[in-house]
Amino acid sequence: GENVEQHPSTLSVQEGDSAVIKCTYSDSASNYFPWYKQELGKRPQLIIDIRSNVGEKKDQRIAVTLNKTAKHFSLHITETQPEDSAVYFCAADMDTGRRALTFGSGTRLQVQP
Amino acid sequence: EAQVTQNPRYLITVTGKKLTVTCSQNMNHEYMSWYRQDPGLGLRQIYYSMNVEVTDKGDVPEGYKVSRKEKRNFPLILESPSPNQTSLYFCASSSRDRGSPLHFGNGTRLTVT
Repeated sequence: GENVEQHPSTLSVQEGDSAVIKCTYSDSASNYFPWYKQELGKRPQLIIDIRSNVGEKKDQRIAVTLNKTAKHFSLHITETQPEDSAVYFCAADMDTGRRALTFGSGTRLQVQP
Repeated sequence: EAQVTQNPRYLITVTGKKLTVTCSQNMNHEYMSWYRQDPGLGLRQIYYSMNVEVTDKGDVPEGYKVSRKEKRNFPLILESPSPNQTSLYFCASSSRDRGSPLHFGNGTRLTVT
């Protein structure tokens, strides 16, 4: 089955700096890659996703890049703010309708004011 | 308001005492799933359901049962809970449309002593 590795496990940045979280996946059939943000004590919520026919996608301060050849994808957050502090999960899915999302182990991002 | 509702939010029980965690969604979603979240392991899928009366095992199904008698409900059953099932559980739903996001419930924190 699919295996998703996520790095780093913790990340601390100063407010206004950029943050990058990286994930690798093992199954070349995976073609859908969402990112979820989980604030302390709350449920995960989708923040951005990308499909394998696209190399990059942006939404305001958040961007995701995908390298299918190397089987890795990354989340980029620019101009970080304290409210960006949360745990971020990447995931990979073959998007067949089964919704067998395989999640990474999570990155705890701390933005220092 | 579109939502996934789980109950209870917190549950403390003893080894071997059967319990059920309920999950209900009001978005007419075909797909529903259960995940458990453990530190350093991310979110792991327990069971999922593509539609009424259609369920299948995820990555960590041992010790759990599910049923899908109605489209909106997807209860998680632990017939004989053990301490290694102490975890944070999330129910999630989505439509079957390609790339539709997972909507998570608020979570159930289960402690088995």
